[in-house]
Amino acid sequence: GEDVEQSLFLSVREGDSSVINCTYTDSSSTYLYWYKQEPGAGLQLLTYIFSNMDMKQDQRLTVLLNKKDKHLSLRIADTQTGDSAIYFCAGGYQKVTFGTGTKLQVIP
Amino acid sequence: DAGVIQSPRHEVTEMGQEVTLRCKPISGHDYLFWYRQTMMRGLELLIYFNNNVPIDDSGMPEDRFSAKMPNASFSTLKIQPSEPRDSAVYFCASSPLGLQGSNEQFFGPGTRLTVL
Repeated sequence: GEDVEQSLFLSVREGDSSVINCTYTDSSSTYLYWYKQEPGAGLQLLTYIFSNMDMKQDQRLTVLLNKKDKHLSLRIADTQTGDSAIYFCAGGYQKVTFGTGTKLQVIP
Repeated sequence: DAGVIQSPRHEVTEMGQEVTLRCKPISGHDYLFWYRQTMMRGLELLIYFNNNVPIDDSGMPEDRFSAKMPNASFSTLKIQPSEPRDSAVYFCASSPLGLQGSNEQFFGPGTRLTVL
């Protein structure tokens, strides 16, 4: 199965870019996902990338995939206070494995 | 669609009592997942169903846990008897498992369970 690791905490200033990193073990994962969890709520899918892609951009979000190093990152441009949340990296097919989550703190 | 619906939102019970958590997935979604989230263990997959059939229950911690999906619009997760270490937030999620194969999961708001 998949094993997914993330750093636990990231603090950035409002307006700066945030980069959240993730490493995974299962190179056969067809899709890799980024989810966001706000306090007291369930996870919400932000974006996902197909394993044959290197990059995907969606408005302020950019996902980079380095298959050789099994490294995935999520860049949030112009970070806002509303982006404060926990971000989960995930991979797998039917059975998706979630990382430990990275808590993003945005300082006004 | 109202999204994935879970009930109750909060449950406080005493050790030894039976607890039943309920989930209504999004209509048309073929997959349903039950997760448990704690500070210590993060988000753990307990069990998932495809077309109402349990596919993988290897994450169910003990025989005290059971899950059913009697029809496409309803699932339950039961803990009997409950113990303090079962205290967690339990999430239900559903997925259409798209034609391209992406497993975009839609999560409910969760049930916060406290066992005293």
